Order: sequence, then C-alpha cells, then structure tokens
Amino acid sequence: DTAVSQTPKYLVTQMGNDKSIKCEQNLGHDTMYWYKQDSKKFLKIMFSYNNKELIINETVPNRFSPKSPDKAHLNLHINSLELGDSAVYFCASSQEDRGHGYTFGSGTRLTVV
Amino acid sequence: AQSVTQLGSHVSVSEGALVLLRCNYSSSVPPYLFWYVQYPNQGLQLLLKYTSAATLVKGINGFEAEFKKSETSFHLTKPSAHMSDAAEYFCAVRYTGTASKLTFGTGTRLQVTL
Repeated sequence: DTAVSQTPKYLVTQMGNDKSIKCEQNLGHDTMYWYKQDSKKFLKIMFSYNNKELIINETVPNRFSPKSPDKAHLNLHINSLELGDSAVYFCASSQEDRGHGYTFGSGTRLTVV
Repeated sequence: AQSVTQLGSHVSVSEGALVLLRCNYSSSVPPYLFWYVQYPNQGLQLLLKYTSAATLVKGINGFEAEFKKSETSFHLTKPSAHMSDAAEYFCAVRYTGTASKLTFGTGTRLQVTL
C-alpha cells in the first residue's frame, strides 16, 4: 500500500486552464503539505494543513488553492494556469508531535503549454 | 530564519570511493536535520535523520551522517560508492512546534563513475 499517493502522475494542460491534483495518505498523520520543485530541483513549501486547518501559507499566487476535506486528504487546485507553473508538485505528510521527517508522494509533473 | 547550505551542487566520485556530501545549518538552536535522496523521476526518500539523540546517525543504503554542533554541520558520508547511489541528495532542517516546516537545501547531484 502506498503511504502517500498523488494523482495524476503527469499532467499536461494549456495556459489558462484550471486543474487539480489530489493527495491521500494512509499513515494516520495529522499534517499534510504541498511542495513545488522547480526545474533546478529546488524544493519550496507552498502550504501545510494540520487536522484540516491551514497552518502554513507561503507566498504563493492566490490562483493556487489547497483544500483538505479530512486529515487524510489534501488537494491542490490551480486556476488560470501559467507557463511558470510548470514544475513537479509533491505532497507530503508528517505527525507533528514526533519531530520526524516527512513522507513524500511520488510527485505530479505539471507541464503548461 | 532556518536554512541549510549544501556545498557543491555536483559531486563526482569513482565507484568504491568515499562519498562526502556537505551540509551546514544556520541556527543557534540545534534543529532536526534530515537527508533525503531523490532518484531520477521519483519522489524523495528519507535516508536518515538527527533528532537530538546520538550524534552519529546511520541510515539506509550504508549512508551515515554526523551532527557537529561546533561546526553547525551534518555531512553525509558513505565509505564506498556504488553506481546505484547516483541521485540527487537534499539536506533539510526543521524545528519543532506548530507551523514548523521542513526547509531544504539546494541539493547535490552525486555522480558515480566506473
């Protein structure tokens, strides 16, 4: 069983479209995250939810909107896609009170054309 | 602000040689420190972590790292490189507390040659 699963794995779409990426974790963790990895492999946190509550919201365009229906799911919706949104998006989860690292999904490669 | 610095964006070693990937953190308070590996077109896998217990931490695939407070370093080593070690390696730092976040270094690409 995959611990943190993301769908889709690949997403190719045109500029201006709206798309969503889904993430689910079966580890029982209470916190989930979205990271963006750019073409130079740099990883930057975008959002974090703890028990469905938004706790980290980095400087991200408001075209990006996370949604957490329950603590096992964290989806990312992107409106009006731009060329610069092309990247790999990683979902991750952790248990806040254990000081552990995060468990990452396998990523969603978004290409905007 | 918490951060980590990885010296060397690209390291090349021969198969069987020592691997040394450098990571320094910037903080007066020892944070939690992690090394992750990313193989091509894959996600990030945790190699090892330091959480204020033993300063010498052993991880998977024969890797280990030593936390040195005096040098604010957490370098990753492996005695003998294998071709399968070729990947991108990320050092990351985190503090406890609500809204703490895992902050990554810029990564080091390890190349292993015959």
